[in-house]
Parts: sequence; structure tokens; C-alpha cells
Amino acid sequence: GESVGLHLPTLSVQEGDNSIINCAYSNSASDYFIWYKQESGKGPQFIIDIRSNMDKRQGQRVTVLLNKTVKHLSLQIAATQPGDSAVYFCAENYGGATNKLIFGTGTLLAVQP
Amino acid sequence: EAQVTQNPRYLITVTGKKLTVTCSQNMNHEYMSWYRQDPGLGLRQIYYSMNVEVTDKGDVPEGYKVSRKEKRNFPLILESPSPNQTSLYFCASSRTFPGGNIQYFGAGTRLSVL
Repeated sequence: GESVGLHLPTLSVQEGDNSIINCAYSNSASDYFIWYKQESGKGPQFIIDIRSNMDKRQGQRVTVLLNKTVKHLSLQIAATQPGDSAVYFCAENYGGATNKLIFGTGTLLAVQP
Repeated sequence: EAQVTQNPRYLITVTGKKLTVTCSQNMNHEYMSWYRQDPGLGLRQIYYSMNVEVTDKGDVPEGYKVSRKEKRNFPLILESPSPNQTSLYFCASSRTFPGGNIQYFGAGTRLSVL
């Protein structure tokens, strides 16, 4: 299988529990943030995004929280399912005209049945 | 179906033998990008393109070339591959700038350079 999950912090949860995955970002001027999910053998898949003028955004079973004071982002997954097992990583967009996203290294979420 | 298609998915080659990894998107996106993913380092941008005939270096461009002759295609070229280019490569596209626009990723190309 893919080696993306190696050397990553791991969060192990029981099926049905809520999961919280954290991310510290680097640039206080970043104005846009995204969470991606990467399953083994696949490319990153968009989960949810949030702009810097918001503190919270909810999707289906997922919620992203943004704390600009401490430059912290979190992804909450409600009622975690085995299909949620994957590597999750955040990305930040540096503000202004910079045309790129900066990606975190990721957290491996392991859901125990 | 909206998608980003990379080929090949797996490639084993030898040092110095030129290779090209193709990338195509069917969403009429202006912005395309190549990343490499290595354990413990996350996704690092190699090159990106804002539109046809407009390309620029990312964070790790050494040893790579790209071209953007058509909007849908963004091939990655390794003129003389070396073992340190063994990695997992992803192509991505978004409508315009990546900030505020979701990047869609291909399934990846795993390259081994012997």
C-alpha cells in the first residue's frame, strides 16, 4: 500500500465516536483554509473549506473551526465510520496574490470497529 | 464526470532516462499544479500554471519541466531522472487561483527511479 501514512501522528477512535483532528497553520495573513482527506492509493479529496472571516463552518457530519488568535484549525467528524479511515491534512492559502496552497503533513485517522 | 486524470499510475525507470507524466482535466480549469508527496514532508508544489502558456516554479522545481500548450493538459517532464525524484506525484486543478477555489487532485503517479 501507499506509504503516505507512515511517520504521521495517528488518531485512533472507536466507530460511532466523534473525531477531532487538529492543524496549526503558519501564516497569520492566510485567508483561506481547506481540509482534505486522502485514502490509501488515492489522491486528496476536498472535505470542507473556511475563509478567515469565519470561525466555524459545518458540512455533512463535518465541522471546521478556525481560531485565528492561535493560528489553529480543527476538523470535527461526527459519528465516525470505518470509511472515514484516511490521512487528513489541512492547507492554507497565503494571503494576497500568492498563487499556492501550503499543505500540512497530515494526521492518520484509524477507526476501530 | 469531472476529473483530473494522470498517467501512468505507476512507473519504474532508470537514472537518466527521460520520462513524461501526463495530466488532463475536463473542468475547463485555468489553474493547474504538480505536487510531490514524500513521507513526513506532505505535499510540496513543483510547478504551477495560471493559464495556457503561463507557468511558474513552485517550491521544489529542480529537475522538472512543465508545459501548458492547451488548457486541459499539463504534463510533467523529467529530462534526466535521478533516484531522489522517487516519489508520489499528484496533478491538481482549480477554477482560478487556488485560494478560495477548491483544488481537485488526480489519483497520483508513483515513480521509482533506480
